[in-house]
Amino acid sequence: GAVVSQHPSWVICKSGTSVKIECRSLDFQATTMFWYRQFPKQSLMLMATSNEGSKATYEQGVEKDKFLINHASLTLSTLTVTSAHPEDSSFYICSATLSRAASYEQYFGPGTRLTVT
Amino acid sequence: AQTVTQSQPEMSVQEAETVTLSCTYDTSESDYYLFWYKQPPSRQMILVIRQEAYKQQNATENRFSVNFQKAAKSFSLKISDSQLGDAAMYFCAYRSASGTASKLTFGTGTRLQVTL
Repeated sequence: GAVVSQHPSWVICKSGTSVKIECRSLDFQATTMFWYRQFPKQSLMLMATSNEGSKATYEQGVEKDKFLINHASLTLSTLTVTSAHPEDSSFYICSATLSRAASYEQYFGPGTRLTVT
Repeated sequence: AQTVTQSQPEMSVQEAETVTLSCTYDTSESDYYLFWYKQPPSRQMILVIRQEAYKQQNATENRFSVNFQKAAKSFSLKISDSQLGDAAMYFCAYRSASGTASKLTFGTGTRLQVTL
């Protein structure tokens, strides 16, 4: 199956700093990537949908200026958490798909654990 | 908006036995996809099984099968011959087949324990 990687797998940063998380599709071209957030013992909440070469579409309640998403190529999307605070500590998961069409599979990355101190 | 409900926060099954995880959903659409994902302690999301709403036949994947009741908006997962490696969080998910709304909506999850 298709492989999606995330880097880093775990990051610790100080409050007020920014941190970038990368999501890569290793063996396919992903026209669409999704970013999710998962709190401990909770479900995945979609944060935004990004299409290659266009602006991301954010879900209601997600701060666009805080969570910057860039999908610069067909194999890479980045999530930058700007001016991070302890409440941003969470598990961030990306997924990638060949097409926005529902019949196309979403492949998930292994996730990134962000801890803000 | 679509919603997905998993009413069982935790379930337990003995090794080699069968367990059924429940999922209901709410939608006004007629064409959609339903999924069961497994999230083991590693937290890597793994697709277990997928059902297309226009197909009446229930999907099966080896020891995993679903009971899809479209009129009742119910989509349960049956795990047969449970193994220790089946212990994980299981999420039911919905995805619209229409337009460009290709995002997944997840339920709250069911934690499955497998005992000896």
